[in-house]
Amino acid sequence: SQQGEEDPQALSIQEGENATMNCSYKTSINNLQWYRQNSGRGLVHLILIRSNEREKHSGRLRVTLDTSKKSSSLLITASRAADTASYFCATYSGGGADGLTFGKGTHLIIQP
Amino acid sequence: EADIYQTPRYLVIGTGKKITLECSQTMGHDKMYWYQQDPGMELHLIHYSYGVNSTEKGDLSSESTVSRIRTEHFPLTLESARPSHTSQYLCASSDWAGADTEAFFGQGTRLTVV
Repeated sequence: SQQGEEDPQALSIQEGENATMNCSYKTSINNLQWYRQNSGRGLVHLILIRSNEREKHSGRLRVTLDTSKKSSSLLITASRAADTASYFCATYSGGGADGLTFGKGTHLIIQP
Repeated sequence: EADIYQTPRYLVIGTGKKITLECSQTMGHDKMYWYQQDPGMELHLIHYSYGVNSTEKGDLSSESTVSRIRTEHFPLTLESARPSHTSQYLCASSDWAGADTEAFFGQGTRLTVV
């Protein structure tokens, strides 16, 4: 069953602007992860945030986690054309089927 | 770049054929997964494995089967392909080090059944 739900479904911005994507989930989690998928290819792990963490940074990426609201956000600063991709949040709950549960993703387009 | 490989990348096959999608990883990971993804949609877990001789069904019911005879190899088989099996299949692996580990994905196999 779907756990993560990204918002917006699609986002188009100018190169250099910041892009923010949100993810909501339904059950308690051990961690939340963000992945990037270029068109028709596999997923690449971007960042993992544990349930006891509130914010994490990696290069131009900033992730926040609010477990009380069951939500997370991914901020990409100073966007580049190469950031054009689909971004997925994935949660690991540790119960049921033992794998990551993905949302539908946000399709990000960076206009040059 | 992740050391996990899927073959073939693209496959167009007729209804009723038996197919096997290959997945291999060279990272020594114990856990491996198969996800199914329709265009523009989320990934659904269809199979996973904790290690050799371990196979489990995922959240999404699938007519496919898997085997895990070697740590590095996790093939997926469809005995009789149907048009409803048309989709992208993504293989992934992760280290068996608890919950806080990332998954590494292959490039995917895009299957079309005609």
